[in-house]
Amino acid sequence: GENVEQHPSTLSVQEGDSAVIKCTYSDSASNYFPWYKQELGKRPQLIIDIRSNVGEKKDQRIAVTLNKTAKHFSLHITETQPEDSAVYFCAAFQTGANNLFFGTGTRLTVIP
Amino acid sequence: EPEVTQTPSHQVTQMGQEVILRCVPISNHLYFYWYRQILGQKVEFLVSFYNNEISEKSEIFDDQFSVERPDGSNFTLKIRSTKLEDSAMYFCASSENRGGQPQHFGDGTRLSIL
Repeated sequence: GENVEQHPSTLSVQEGDSAVIKCTYSDSASNYFPWYKQELGKRPQLIIDIRSNVGEKKDQRIAVTLNKTAKHFSLHITETQPEDSAVYFCAAFQTGANNLFFGTGTRLTVIP
Repeated sequence: EPEVTQTPSHQVTQMGQEVILRCVPISNHLYFYWYRQILGQKVEFLVSFYNNEISEKSEIFDDQFSVERPDGSNFTLKIRSTKLEDSAMYFCASSENRGGQPQHFGDGTRLSIL
């Protein structure tokens, strides 16, 4: 099956700085890569996603890049704000299996 | 914006008892999923469901687990004889279609086994 690795496990940044979270996946058949934000005790909330036919996607302060050859994808948050503090999960959708494989999560803390 | 809804929000059950977790997926979605998240760990896939049958299941989804769509709106996860290690947050999700469509999660049911 698919194996998704995520780094770092924790990340602290000053408000206004950028944050980058990286993930790698193992199965070249995976073709869809969403990112979820999870606040304490709440649901994972989809914040951005990218498909394998696209290299980069941006939505305001959030961007995701995908390198299919290297099998890695990254989340970039610019101008971070305290409300960005949460756990972020990357995931890969494996077409054959029809389910999401999640990374282990990154706890982002934005220091005011 | 339509949401996936789950009930109950918290379920406390004695070990060995049966539990049923309920979900109402987004109305025009066709694919339904159950995931679980043990405290402090990643989200793990349990099962996917389409056209009234299981389409995929993980190793976690053993004979103690079953899913059902008893009517046109509800999607349930049953654990027949709960174990302590079943304590986790259980999330239901739905997507409009297969093939890497966005999966929208419910708020989850926190299951505590005593």
